[in-house]
Amino acid sequence: SSELTQDPAVSVALGQTVRITCQGDSLRRYYASWYQQKPGQAPVLVIYGKNNRPSGIPDRFSGSSSGNTASLTITGAQAEDDADYYCNSRDSSGNHVVFGGGTKLTVL
Amino acid sequence: EVQLVESGGGLVQPGRSLRLSCAASGFTFDDYAMHWVRQAPGKGLEWVSGINWNSGSIGYADSVKGRFTISRDNAKNSLYLQMNSLRAEDTALYYCAKDTVPTVTGRGAFDIWGQGTMVTVSS
Repeated sequence: SSELTQDPAVSVALGQTVRITCQGDSLRRYYASWYQQKPGQAPVLVIYGKNNRPSGIPDRFSGSSSGNTASLTITGAQAEDDADYYCNSRDSSGNHVVFGGGTKLTVL
Repeated sequence: EVQLVESGGGLVQPGRSLRLSCAASGFTFDDYAMHWVRQAPGKGLEWVSGINWNSGSIGYADSVKGRFTISRDNAKNSLYLQMNSLRAEDTALYYCAKDTVPTVTGRGAFDIWGQGTMVTVSS
């Protein structure tokens, strides 16, 4: 079982704002990273660290953290944001990397 | 172009071995930690193993510890995963991924991924 917990599915209307969350004790100590994965494709890093976006990632993607919960916010969701989203971080021991179970985002 | 290309996957019987390779290009390979991440069909991502820039620190998921060995050859810009005593539950698409820092105990942010190589363990 994953030490990071994500809601299995979330939906958002086109152009609206959606928050995807990731919970785990290790997030009190470590930042989460966020990945977008579309069917048949490799994951793409969209947020890492406190709130860093790799080159090429639209600024509608942002990250935040509070207590044991990390959040990925998409402000003004687009049709192309319809995808699976995964968080990851270190585990509680700090020795391993762990992924959340993933959230299927549907843009309506 | 920054690129990771995995190879070595295939169909293998339970209990047998397989060695995966990952060829890196377009970045300074020995500046970064590297990882293997797998994804079983229809399932989520699972971290398998990571190795820091100079092979001085290595980590494994509990599910593969003692059976899998990660290594790297910085002179060849290559990452490897030796998989022994394979089980049906090891069936997955195996991705090679580049970290954003040199150390495997860093933030665990993977900014470059290959397209994966499929491993199927079945009799």
